[in-house]
Amino acid sequence: SAVISQKPSRDICQRGTSLTIQCQVDSQVTMMFWYRQQPGQSLTLIATANQGSEATYESGFVIDKFPISRPNLTFSTLTVSNMSPEDSSIYLCSVEGIGTDYNEQFFGPGTRLTVL
Amino acid sequence: AQKVTQAQTEISVVEKEDVTLDCVYETRDTTYYLFWYKQPPSGELVFLIRRNSFDEQNEISGRYSWNFQKSTSSFNFTITASQVVDSAVYFCALSEVNPQGGSEKLVFGKGTKLTVNP
Repeated sequence: SAVISQKPSRDICQRGTSLTIQCQVDSQVTMMFWYRQQPGQSLTLIATANQGSEATYESGFVIDKFPISRPNLTFSTLTVSNMSPEDSSIYLCSVEGIGTDYNEQFFGPGTRLTVL
Repeated sequence: AQKVTQAQTEISVVEKEDVTLDCVYETRDTTYYLFWYKQPPSGELVFLIRRNSFDEQNEISGRYSWNFQKSTSSFNFTITASQVVDSAVYFCALSEVNPQGGSEKLVFGKGTKLTVNP
C-alpha cells in the first residue's frame, strides 16, 4: 500500500500568517487530492493537485487562499494563506492507489492546524 | 450533484452487540464507487472498503459486512459482535470514476460516531 507522510503533523499559527503543508508519497501516483476537515465535521475536497499543471479547485475554494504545488508524481504542497481562526481544521492529502492497491484511496495522517 | 447521507449522527452500543451504519447516496452517474472509512480518535482515516457500482455482491470481512443495494441507493455497513476498539467515526463516501478507471474526488457523508461501551 502507498505510504503517505505529511509535514507538519500539527501547528498553531497566528492570524494573518501562512502555512505550507507538505505531502510525500513513497511511490509515483497520478491523482493527489487535498481535503479539509473542520472540527467535528466531515471531509470536504479543496482541490485536485495535477502534476505539471494548475490545481483544479472545488467550489468555494480559490487559488489565492489555497495555492497548491505538484512538482512531481510523489510530492505536493498546500499553502493556507492569510489565515483566520475559521481555517482551523485538519488538512489531509490523499492519493489513488497503484498496482495491486489500485482499489484503494489512501489518506495521509493529516495536519492539525489551529489559528489563533 | 452527488450526495451522501448518513442519517445516524451517533450510535451507542454495548460490546458484543451487532450494529448497522446506514448510508444512502445520490448520483446521476451510472458508474461510481462507494467507500467506507474509519476515523478513530487518533484522527487518521482508515480505508475499509471500495465497491464498484456494477458489483452488488455483499461483502464480508471478518466481523465487518457490507450490504450494497442499488435499488434503494444504499450501502450499509454492519459490525458483528462489536468491540470497544470499533469506537470511531465512520464515513461513507462516493466517487465518480475517471476515464483511466480509478476513482475521482470523494464526496463524504457527515459521518456516524460509534461508541462501543464495555
